[in-house]
Amino acid sequence: EDQVTQSPEALRLQEGESSSLNCSYTVSGLRGLFWYRQDPGKGPEFLFTLYSAGEEKEKERLKATLTKKESFLHITAPKPEDSATYLCAVQAGGAQKLVFGQGTRLTINP
Amino acid sequence: SAVISQKPSRDICQRGTSLTIQCQVDSQVTMMFWYRQQPGQSLTLIATANQGSEATYESGFVIDKFPISRPNLTFSTLTVSNMSPEDSSIYLCSVGSVRPGFNYGYTFGSGTRLTVV
Repeated sequence: EDQVTQSPEALRLQEGESSSLNCSYTVSGLRGLFWYRQDPGKGPEFLFTLYSAGEEKEKERLKATLTKKESFLHITAPKPEDSATYLCAVQAGGAQKLVFGQGTRLTINP
Repeated sequence: SAVISQKPSRDICQRGTSLTIQCQVDSQVTMMFWYRQQPGQSLTLIATANQGSEATYESGFVIDKFPISRPNLTFSTLTVSNMSPEDSSIYLCSVGSVRPGFNYGYTFGSGTRLTVV
């Protein structure tokens, strides 16, 4: 069974304090790993798709990396508006569905 | 990328009643997905809806409880039937789409927040 585990569950940082969120996965035949941002009361907002180990993607203060067992979402010099829950999901095998992790609730204090 | 309109955005319903949630996409898509997000939890796929065929349900979800319609390539509905307080969740529809840079991602609607009393 495909599994996705995110850590930490919650992370509180000061503005400008860089850190990383972890997404560990166990799947049969990874087709894609997805990162989403979710604000309270809203649907997930797409950030990145990673397809193979060694791949990296960047968007503003966010950078996502992928290995054969895990992905990291690095956040550099975060701002309060980066506060949100960050979700990791995988697509594996012949399935179209996404399997989500529990998310990391990130809070950036000014 | 696709734009999804989902209605209603929220509702409070009496137990034993049913609620139909609508999902409208601004482009034609083959597959539409319905997810549930229980309070404080992550997203779980309920079913995949293909136009012209019956929906495919995930383990733990049945058609009698969550009937789905897919009348065309831009629209789908999910009904939550005979509701109980345990059905209180956020329900989301999703479609796959190609984005700039040929990233393939899944777009989500804004969700329907259902409270059953």
